[in-house]
Amino acid sequence: AQSVTQPDIHITVSEGASLELRCNYSYGATPYLFWYVQSPGQGLQLLLKYFSGDTLVQGIKGFEAEFKRSQSSFNLRKPSVHWSDAAEYFCAVGASGGYQKVTFGTGTKLQVIP
Amino acid sequence: DVKVTQSSRYLVKRTGEKVFLECVQDMDHENMFWYRQDPGLGLRLIYFSYDVKMKEKGDIPEGYSVSREKKERFSLILESASTNQTSMYLCASSPLPKREGRDSPYNEQFFGPGTRLTVL
Repeated sequence: AQSVTQPDIHITVSEGASLELRCNYSYGATPYLFWYVQSPGQGLQLLLKYFSGDTLVQGIKGFEAEFKRSQSSFNLRKPSVHWSDAAEYFCAVGASGGYQKVTFGTGTKLQVIP
Repeated sequence: DVKVTQSSRYLVKRTGEKVFLECVQDMDHENMFWYRQDPGLGLRLIYFSYDVKMKEKGDIPEGYSVSREKKERFSLILESASTNQTSMYLCASSPLPKREGRDSPYNEQFFGPGTRLTVL
């Protein structure tokens, strides 16, 4: 069965600084990988997804993620963080053959300080 | 604009009560999901449905049941609520993947705003 690990529960960055959120997955074959964001009091919104092709994926709101098979990682990055990026971020992995079932990580809560 | 709505944002119930959480999507999606979200545990799948009257157990189905009588509506039922079911409940939907081309076999899940359920 697939699994996802987000090792950082909470991260604080200054506005304008760069950001990297870590995600490691476990799955035997090529995974389907996602990053979602949850703003306070809201549901989740898809930032980006990877399933094949270019290992650097661009998403919405200026985010990108890089798939590294050798490290089983799919880290999320943003070059310059804005105060509105404060939210909780979830990495997720899907396995082939299922009914669109994905497994979510435990989330990383991002705090942005002025 | 795509939309998934949930019947209540906040709900307070007593132990032993039967609780219904309703979810409606207006996107004609085949797949619908119920998750619960708890601090430090992320999202855990309770049940999902890939068609009307079809359902599959997720990772934590115990204490829950579901109903999908119409394509747009997916209900989560707590037959006898318990305090350990106090949580945030999220509903989501997604379309079936395309069967040709290079599109991902997984589609984006669209989430509702959640229902925060407290069982006293």
